[in-house]
Amino acid sequence: KQEVTQIPAALSVPEGENLVLNCSFTDSAIYNLQWFRQDPGKGLTSLLLIQSSQREQTSGRLNASLDKSSGRSTLYIAASQPGDSATYLCAVSPGNEKLTFGTGTRLTIIP
Amino acid sequence: NAGVTQTPKFRVLKTGQSMTLLCAQDMNHEYMYWYRQDPGMGLRLIHYSVGEGTTAKGEVPDGYNVSRLKKQNFLLGLESAAPSQTSVYFCASSQLNPEGQYFGPGTRLTVT
Repeated sequence: KQEVTQIPAALSVPEGENLVLNCSFTDSAIYNLQWFRQDPGKGLTSLLLIQSSQREQTSGRLNASLDKSSGRSTLYIAASQPGDSATYLCAVSPGNEKLTFGTGTRLTIIP
Repeated sequence: NAGVTQTPKFRVLKTGQSMTLLCAQDMNHEYMYWYRQDPGMGLRLIHYSVGEGTTAKGEVPDGYNVSRLKKQNFLLGLESAAPSQTSVYFCASSQLNPEGQYFGPGTRLTVT
């Protein structure tokens, strides 16, 4: 059974710093990996999707990498801003309908 | 485009009552999903649909039923609510499976 872990569960950093969020998964037979953002009381917003054949994806200040063989992904946020404060979730798919989510990292950017 | 909408936003039920959650999407997506989110558990798939008229069980289907009579709508039913079904419920849709799932704002359900 696929298990997705995100450590730490919570992270606080000063504004302007670069930071890395981690995601690990137990079964490397994945089709893709997605990073989502969730604001309090809101739904999920897809940030980046990495296909299994890709190593990384970039969108603005966000860069996500994928290392299937080691079962790891990282989300790099450059020049953090208070508006980046949210919970970040990663999810993996084996190629069918069943996304498996991690429990998320709650990020707080301190002004 | 409204994207994915969910009705209602909040609901309180007594044990044994029934209710239906409605999910609607205006993106002409084939795939639709219902998840529940609980503290420390992450999101878990309840049921999903790969097209109009089809439904299938996800990871935690017990106590729930679904229907997809129209392509744009996906209904989640609780026949006899239990306190263990207190959760936040999210609907999602996607055109290709499992890429690019779009999520609704969620329904917060409390069963007393």
